[in-house]
Amino acid sequence: ILNVEQSPQSLHVQEGDSTNFTCSFPSSNFYALHWYRWETAKSPEALFVMTLNGDEKKKGRISATLNTKEGYSYLYIKGSQPEDSATYLCAFDPGTYKYIFGTGTRLKVLA
Amino acid sequence: NAGVTQTPKFQVLKTGQSMTLQCAQDMNHEYMSWYRQDPGMGLRLIHYSVGAGITDQGEVPNGYNVSRSTTEDFPLRLLSAAPSQTSVYFCASSPRGFDTDTQYFGPGTRLTVL
Repeated sequence: ILNVEQSPQSLHVQEGDSTNFTCSFPSSNFYALHWYRWETAKSPEALFVMTLNGDEKKKGRISATLNTKEGYSYLYIKGSQPEDSATYLCAFDPGTYKYIFGTGTRLKVLA
Repeated sequence: NAGVTQTPKFQVLKTGQSMTLQCAQDMNHEYMSWYRQDPGMGLRLIHYSVGAGITDQGEVPNGYNVSRSTTEDFPLRLLSAAPSQTSVYFCASSPRGFDTDTQYFGPGTRLTVL
């Protein structure tokens, strides 16, 4: 059974702090890795798709890197703002149409 | 575009009852999927479809049936509800379901089985 793990499970940071969290996935059968942002009472929304030949992805203050050899991806948030508070999910795509989601990292940014 | 819609938003069932959770998308996506979300666990794939008439099982298919008669609709049927099926259910769609396609999620259905 393929397993995707995210760490930490939750964290609290002060407004203005930079932070990062990890998604670990199987290093074999890699097709893509997806990052989603999930706000409370809403649905997950796509942030990035990381592919085998892809470079670092960036959207505003949020960026993501990928290491397929060792099986991990980092999500970075620079200068966290209260509106960044959400759960960040990663999903591993092994190329079988069966996405495997991690349990998420719950981020709370304190004003 | 309405995107991905799900009905109902909330539902309470008694053990043994059956019901259908509805999911529809208006983006002409080929790939559709159903997930359940339980505390402390990631989204787990129940069933998915890569096009009309084609469905397959995900990680946790037992107790659920699906069909895909049109590109737009992908209903999830609970045949005989059990308390273990109390969960939040999300439907999602993506253009093809692979490569750089991301999934678009519906608003979810919160189901309680007594």
